[in-house]
Amino acid sequence: GAVVSQHPSWVICKSGTSVKIECRSLDFQATTMFWYRQFPKQSLMLMATSNEGSKATYEQGVEKDKFLINHASLTLSTLTVTSAHPEDSSFYICSARGGAEVSYEQYFGPGTRLTVT
Amino acid sequence: QKEVEQNSGPLSVPEGAIASLNCTYSDRGSQSFFWYRQYSGKSPELIMSIYSNGDKEDGRFTAQLNKASQYVSLLIRDSQPSDSATYLCAVKPGNNRLAFGKGNQVVVIP
Repeated sequence: GAVVSQHPSWVICKSGTSVKIECRSLDFQATTMFWYRQFPKQSLMLMATSNEGSKATYEQGVEKDKFLINHASLTLSTLTVTSAHPEDSSFYICSARGGAEVSYEQYFGPGTRLTVT
Repeated sequence: QKEVEQNSGPLSVPEGAIASLNCTYSDRGSQSFFWYRQYSGKSPELIMSIYSNGDKEDGRFTAQLNKASQYVSLLIRDSQPSDSATYLCAVKPGNNRLAFGKGNQVVVIP
């Protein structure tokens, strides 16, 4: 149990285009989803927190108009990187937190490696 | 002061030895503590959670929590080459989102 999937697992896009990343909790309902970014040899950096049906809360320094987050259902959240630039190239990881059925713990998706050329 | 600190550099241990990792946190009101393992190029995987003072054992892993001293540790007994990874300490402070340390790399030498 407690499986989180992400799609795509990797993506290459051209500068100026937008990329959408999906995060799904497969066997539990995720009341809260988190989006992280990780640069090589660095720790996870929380970008935003989203609760189903409400607007995401962004961490300081994260541009909400550039990183659009939608948490439309209890099993799906999406992150759209708009007008991507090479400096947005990173490993994006989502995480989902459920309720009592998963002991309120937080589980990570496998990550999406984004390369912007 | 960082919310979660893991200050040790890369840790090299011989196969079969004990690897010991430490972590300190700043928010005294934190109630939940976790250790994640992250292989290179992969996302973190939850390996231990601990909520009360003392030790918690799960297979070859033991987590230790001391809330008075605000530290949490992880012991890996009988270390195997497959344990070679980065170990992330995570703490859930009062605002209810996980705060991560920068991680400790463990290298198990066959």
